[in-house]
Amino acid sequence: GDSVTQMEGPVTLSEEAFLTINCTYTATGYPSLFWYVQYPGEGLQLLLKATKADDKGSNKGFEATYRKETTSFHLEKGSVQVSDSAVYFCALSPTSYGKLTFGQGTILTVHP
Amino acid sequence: DVKVTQSSRYLVKRTGEKVFLECVQDMDHENMFWYRQDPGLGLRLIYFSYDVKMKEKGDIPEGYSVSREKKERFSLILESASTNQTSMYLCASSLSPGLASRNEQFFGPGTRLTVL
Repeated sequence: GDSVTQMEGPVTLSEEAFLTINCTYTATGYPSLFWYVQYPGEGLQLLLKATKADDKGSNKGFEATYRKETTSFHLEKGSVQVSDSAVYFCALSPTSYGKLTFGQGTILTVHP
Repeated sequence: DVKVTQSSRYLVKRTGEKVFLECVQDMDHENMFWYRQDPGLGLRLIYFSYDVKMKEKGDIPEGYSVSREKKERFSLILESASTNQTSMYLCASSLSPGLASRNEQFFGPGTRLTVL
């Protein structure tokens, strides 16, 4: 079945450090790929998405490129801020009903 | 903006009680979903609905049922709550996906349920 694997967490960084959170997936066909973010005490919100191979999603300084050859969708940001502290979820959607399969989530903590 | 609301942020119930979790969305979305979120496990789909009175089992439906009598409302029911159902429950909605780009789901704030 479909699955998403995220790098082990939690991740702790200093402000202005470079961020990478790895995400790899297993799916048949050509799924859409997403990164969601969950700030403390809130529900999930879409951070960025990519719907076909080689697409790059970007938002709020975050980027991720859909790599079909390596089945990956790694999240990157060049300079993190304290306000980026949150839980990040990678997800894929292969089906016609828009079901999402999520990774286990990665907790990011950014210190001043 | 899409708004998905859930009836309670925090709920404490006793083992064996019947529990209702309510979710309402205001953007006329066809699809609605119930997930539970547990540390280290991410989000797991319990049930989803793609139309009024329609429902499909997700990955972990055991111990749960759902009801969708109106398009905007999707209820999750724990028939007889157990301690292993202590979790964060998240509701989401989305448009009917004619295009992959429509598969974005909009989430409510979650209900943290504790079963004693």
